[in-house]
Amino acid sequence: DTGVSQDPRHKITKRGQNVTFRCDPISEHNRLYWYRQTLGQGPEFLTYFQNEAQLEKSRLLSDRFSAERPKGSFSTLEIQRTEQGDSAMYLCASSLGGSNYEQYFGPGTRLTVT
Amino acid sequence: QKEVEQNSGPLSVPEGAIASLNCTYSDRGSQSFFWYRQYSGKSPELIMSIYSNGDKEDGRFTAQLNKASQYVSLLIRDSQPSDSATYLCAVNIDSGYSTLTFGKGTMLLVSP
Repeated sequence: DTGVSQDPRHKITKRGQNVTFRCDPISEHNRLYWYRQTLGQGPEFLTYFQNEAQLEKSRLLSDRFSAERPKGSFSTLEIQRTEQGDSAMYLCASSLGGSNYEQYFGPGTRLTVT
Repeated sequence: QKEVEQNSGPLSVPEGAIASLNCTYSDRGSQSFFWYRQYSGKSPELIMSIYSNGDKEDGRFTAQLNKASQYVSLLIRDSQPSDSATYLCAVNIDSGYSTLTFGKGTMLLVSP
């Protein structure tokens, strides 16, 4: 399978703990995006990488959130001091780049903060 | 505030009928438009992209774009029960960053 992969698929954590999610994009894609989706809502943009450069961050991305894409391949999203409001599906997507804006999503990581 | 609006539904159609899903967007600078299908508990799946005014057909799906009216639609012909899902409209503003703004989605129910 050469699609976008995410790990873990599910994460249950207690409030105040730190969590880290990983995303592996489609191999030839140089753009990588993180979104968050809650029930009944469309995905909301969090942050965007082109290769290893983080080019845009949403105002939704508080100081507790950090993302990296160290070698321009996989990416990690870390949430520090989790809160119950962080419970959501965290989606990663990738696109080829250039004038091609089609984004392909991974299966997502469902986070539950208790 | 850049917004993408969709009727939340549910839109109920009988099997074999045409389902029509609509989306409006607020930013006239929007350049690229996408329709995603999302089954319950799954991630969004890209089904159509459209960049210029007019119609674009792919199998049973037709996307229609009218930039003057800031309106994009998706038609599904010969609807099947397996088409029952939430359909998300997404819009890209050519800011150079290619991020997408999504609507809340329209739930489609196709009854046998």
